[in-house]
Amino acid sequence: GQSLEQPSEVTAVEGAIVQINCTYQTSGFYGLSWYQQHDGGAPTFLSYNGLDGLEETGRFSSFLSRSDSYGYLLLQELQMKDSASYFCAVIAGAGSYQLTFGKGTKLSVIP
Amino acid sequence: DAGITQSPRHKVTETGTPVTLRCHQTENHRYMYWYRQDPGHGLRLIHYSYGVKDTDKGEVSDGYSVSRSKTEDFLLTLESATSSQTSVYFCAIGGGYQETQYFGPGTRLLVL
Repeated sequence: GQSLEQPSEVTAVEGAIVQINCTYQTSGFYGLSWYQQHDGGAPTFLSYNGLDGLEETGRFSSFLSRSDSYGYLLLQELQMKDSASYFCAVIAGAGSYQLTFGKGTKLSVIP
Repeated sequence: DAGITQSPRHKVTETGTPVTLRCHQTENHRYMYWYRQDPGHGLRLIHYSYGVKDTDKGEVSDGYSVSRSKTEDFLLTLESATSSQTSVYFCAIGGGYQETQYFGPGTRLLVL
């Protein structure tokens, strides 16, 4: 099976940069995705890494190192609206279309 | 936004009663999923479907069954609800190793 580890909570100041790490153990790894979920809402897709390196989308970037089974989500110029839970998820397994999610990191942005 | 709706959005039921949750999509996507979300556990896959009448079990399938008779509808049934099935249930569509999954708004189920 798959297992993912990410911090349960992170607090950061508005305007700052925060990094949320994710380590995983899996077989047949395809890629790592990140999802954002505001309280009471549905998860929404943020980014996907299938290859090593950095993917940038506006204020958000995501990094993957397949050799280290490690990735992170980087949020820059934090805004209050970024307060949410962030989930890493692995896509793994031959022919699999399943996502296995981490338990999530609750990010609190403070003034 | 992907066209995914879930019904009902909220439900309170009693232990031992059957419950069916519906997921409806207008995207004509082949893959559909049911997850449950509980504090401290993140999102866990219950069942998924890779086509009409084609379904398979996920991580936490015990106590749940699914059916997909049409591309657009994916039903989740709790044959005899238990208090441990109190949760928020999300339906999703999409998938594939380079595709995102799009989630419905969720159903909050309380089993008393």
